[in-house]
Amino acid sequence: ILNVEQSPQSLHVQEGDSTNFTCSFPSSNFYALHWYRWETAKSPEALFVMTLNGDEKKKGRISATLNTKEGYSYLYIKGSQPEDSATYLCAFYGETSYDKVIFGPGTSLSVIP
Amino acid sequence: NAGVTQTPKFQVLKTGQSMTLQCAQDMNHEYMSWYRQDPGMGLRLIHYSVGAGITDQGEVPNGYNVSRSTTEDFPLRLLSAAPSQTSVYFCASSEVGTSGGFADTQYFGPGTRLTVL
Repeated sequence: ILNVEQSPQSLHVQEGDSTNFTCSFPSSNFYALHWYRWETAKSPEALFVMTLNGDEKKKGRISATLNTKEGYSYLYIKGSQPEDSATYLCAFYGETSYDKVIFGPGTSLSVIP
Repeated sequence: NAGVTQTPKFQVLKTGQSMTLQCAQDMNHEYMSWYRQDPGMGLRLIHYSVGAGITDQGEVPNGYNVSRSTTEDFPLRLLSAAPSQTSVYFCASSEVGTSGGFADTQYFGPGTRLTVL
């Protein structure tokens, strides 16, 4: 059974701090990795789609890296703001099949003003 | 564009009752899917569809039926509700990957919170 893990489970940081968290996935049969941001009472919204080993993506203060050989992706937030408070999900696509997407359990980030 | 819409937002059922969760999208996406989200777990795929008339099972299909008669709509039916189906249900849609693949960005609806007593 393929497993996608995210760590830490939750994180509390002060406004202005930079932070990062991890998505770990099986390193074999990699196809793509997605990052989603999920605010309370809203629906998940896509942040990044990553497909190549060594990919680095950036959107404002948020960036992500991908290492398919060792099976992990990092999400970084620079200078956290209260509006960054959300759960961050990764979704692993390990095979070229629509039913094989596996979501991680998420990292819950709280940014304290 | 309304994006992906789901109704109802909340629902309480008694064990054994049936109901249909509605999902619609106006982005002309071929791929649509249903997930359930339970505490401490990631989103788990229930059923999915790659186009009108085509559906298939995901990771946790038991107790649920789907159909896809149009590109826009993808309802999820609970045949005989059980307390284990208490969850938050999300519908999502995406384009079929431009390179012929499948891992395009998914657009999620607002969710339906279902409680089965």
